[in-house]
Amino acid sequence: AQSVTQPDIHITVSEGASLELRCNYSYGATPYLFWYVQSPGQGLQLLLKYFSGDTLVQGIKGFEAEFKRSQSSFNLRKPSVHWSDAAEYFCAVGGPGGYNKLIFGAGTRLAVHP
Amino acid sequence: DAMVIQNPRYQVTQFGKPVTLSCSQTLNHNVMYWYQQKSSQAPKLLFHYYDKDFNNEADTPDNFQSRRPNTSFCFLDIRSPGLGDAAMYLCATSRDRGADTQYFGPGTRLTVL
Repeated sequence: AQSVTQPDIHITVSEGASLELRCNYSYGATPYLFWYVQSPGQGLQLLLKYFSGDTLVQGIKGFEAEFKRSQSSFNLRKPSVHWSDAAEYFCAVGGPGGYNKLIFGAGTRLAVHP
Repeated sequence: DAMVIQNPRYQVTQFGKPVTLSCSQTLNHNVMYWYQQKSSQAPKLLFHYYDKDFNNEADTPDNFQSRRPNTSFCFLDIRSPGLGDAAMYLCATSRDRGADTQYFGPGTRLTVL
């Protein structure tokens, strides 16, 4: 069955430090992968997506992610975290069927220390 | 220039009292989705409309219904809310089905007393 695993429930980093959020997926075919960010009490905002082509994907707010098929991973990175990056981050994979059913991971909550 | 709008942002209802949540979009997208997100959990798809074609997820309770009177609007009706239905309800749209980006609204926080 298709699934997404985000191994880290909570991560705390200092402002200015680098960040990597992990995402592993299980999917039978070529996956379509997404990272969304959710601030408290808000909806989800798309950070970046991978459909095909270059495995290193650039997104908004200085984020990037790398698709590694051999590791079934799509980790999100940022070289220098800002306090405003504190939020919940969801990895998602485009699911099966004739429509775009997104399967979400459980999320990683990021805290940023000044 | 809000693209996906949800009203109200906060809704309080009583146990068993029907409630309707509203979603509208200015993107002219064909597909509209409703997700339920409980505290500290991932969003869970309830159903979606592809144009006028309604697609229900197999595990969505019968208590949840939806209407899409036109391209721009979609409603979520909860016929008899229980305490377990308290959650954030997220509306999303996409231009088409397949691997297309979904755009989310800000959500409606439902409280059931």
